[in-house]
Amino acid sequence: NAGVMQNPRHLVRRRGQEARLRCSPMKGHSHVYWYRQLPEEGLKFMVYLQKENIIDESGMPKERFSAEFPKEGPSILRIQQVVRGDSAAYFCASSPPDQETQYFGPGTRLLVL
Amino acid sequence: GEDVEQSLFLSVREGDSSVINCTYTDSSSTYLYWYKQEPGAGLQLLTYIFSNMDMKQDQRLTVLLNKKDKHLSLRIADTQTGDSAIYFCAERGGGSGGYQKVTFGTGTKLQVIP
Repeated sequence: NAGVMQNPRHLVRRRGQEARLRCSPMKGHSHVYWYRQLPEEGLKFMVYLQKENIIDESGMPKERFSAEFPKEGPSILRIQQVVRGDSAAYFCASSPPDQETQYFGPGTRLLVL
Repeated sequence: GEDVEQSLFLSVREGDSSVINCTYTDSSSTYLYWYKQEPGAGLQLLTYIFSNMDMKQDQRLTVLLNKKDKHLSLRIADTQTGDSAIYFCAERGGGSGGYQKVTFGTGTKLQVIP
């Protein structure tokens, strides 16, 4: 059973460009969570999704950030018009229906020049 | 919102025991977790404990939970250089309708000196 997969592992964007981060949950997992980790800081919750539904986006910035988890395919975290402050590691986690545990992907490290 | 606190740094000698501490504020926590993050990698779930337990042991790892004081600790016996990493405490709770958010601490960087 493959773990949580994220791609790309590293992403470089110039200010004003768009960043698309992908996450494929573990097989059988229907819940996806996105977190952001700034350098030398802990993880900050961004958004929690189930298939085709956003359940909790309380940690997501109101502008430029969006997330989806379509019926088919990976979950996507999209950042429009990136700024230098968006540079961080973005982690995706998935959990089975009971949500007892979350399993993390390797992360996408975004660098905005 | 809920808060999870950890000390930032711990240094131990190889072969000694390490104890990483964590405090949390959510009195309705259901599960508490310890994750390990090595440089450049994601978070690896090490162990977790249900809130009605006060201890869990798994090989070199011992988790102690004091629910009254909202204090969680992770003890690593016979610490090895490969244990050098950042350790995150996390708690799940405080939600309703079947959804309980997980809140992470800021992480404790464990340095093991050979």
